[in-house]
Amino acid sequence: GESVGLHLPTLSVQEGDNSIINCAYSNSASDYFIWYKQESGKGPQFIIDIRSNMDKRQGQRVTVLLNKTVKHLSLQIAATQPGDSAVYFCAENPVPYGQNFVFGPGTRLSVLP
Amino acid sequence: KAGVTQTPRYLIKTRGQQVTLSCSPISGHRSVSWYQQTPGQGLQFLFEYFSETQRNKGNFPGRFSGRQFSNSRSEMNVSTLELGDSALYLCASSRGDMNTEAFFGQGTRLTVV
Repeated sequence: GESVGLHLPTLSVQEGDNSIINCAYSNSASDYFIWYKQESGKGPQFIIDIRSNMDKRQGQRVTVLLNKTVKHLSLQIAATQPGDSAVYFCAENPVPYGQNFVFGPGTRLSVLP
Repeated sequence: KAGVTQTPRYLIKTRGQQVTLSCSPISGHRSVSWYQQTPGQGLQFLFEYFSETQRNKGNFPGRFSGRQFSNSRSEMNVSTLELGDSALYLCASSRGDMNTEAFFGQGTRLTVV
C-alpha cells in the first residue's frame, strides 16, 4: 500500500449547510472508487461508490463527482447534520481483480450547531 | 444480515510474541481483505484472500500472513511483534467479483508493549 501523510485536513461547516470534501487520487489506472465515513472507535462505513465510466453518482444526501483528467474525487453532503461529523476517506482500487484499496489521508468533518 | 465480525476487539501483546486475529465476512461474501490503520500512516492494505487463495498483497514484511478457510472466514497472523505493529487492524468483506463494495468490521485494536 501507499504511505499517506501525517496531516489530516479539517472542514468545519454549519449544520444545514452543504459540505464538499475533496480527494486527489494517485493512480490513473484506478477504475473504482469508494467514499468511507469513520467515526471514532468504529470501522470505516461505506457511503457511496463510483466507477470510472461515470463522472457523477448520487445517493441519499450524498453525491460523488469524479474527474479523471485531474485525478480528483469529491463528496458532497447536502444539509449537513451533526451525525455527519466524522473522518471521511476516499479509496481507489488500482487492480483489475479483487481489492487493493489505496486510501487517502482522510478529512475530518466537524458540524457546528 | 449480519455485518463483518472481527475478534477480539482488543489485544495487548509483548514484543516478540505472535498474534492471530479473526474475521468473519458477510454471508455470501467470498473476499476478505486486511488493512492496518495507524495515526502516522493511515489505512494501508495488507492482503486480500478470495476462495482460500491470496489474490492481492500489499507492501508489508513476511511477518504478516493470513489465510482463508472454506467458509470464507479469515485469520491474520503477525509473528515476532514489534512496537510499531501497534495499530487498528481492519477486515473488509466483499462479494469478490470485480469492483464491488467492500464493508469493514469494527477492527481489532492491537497494542504491543
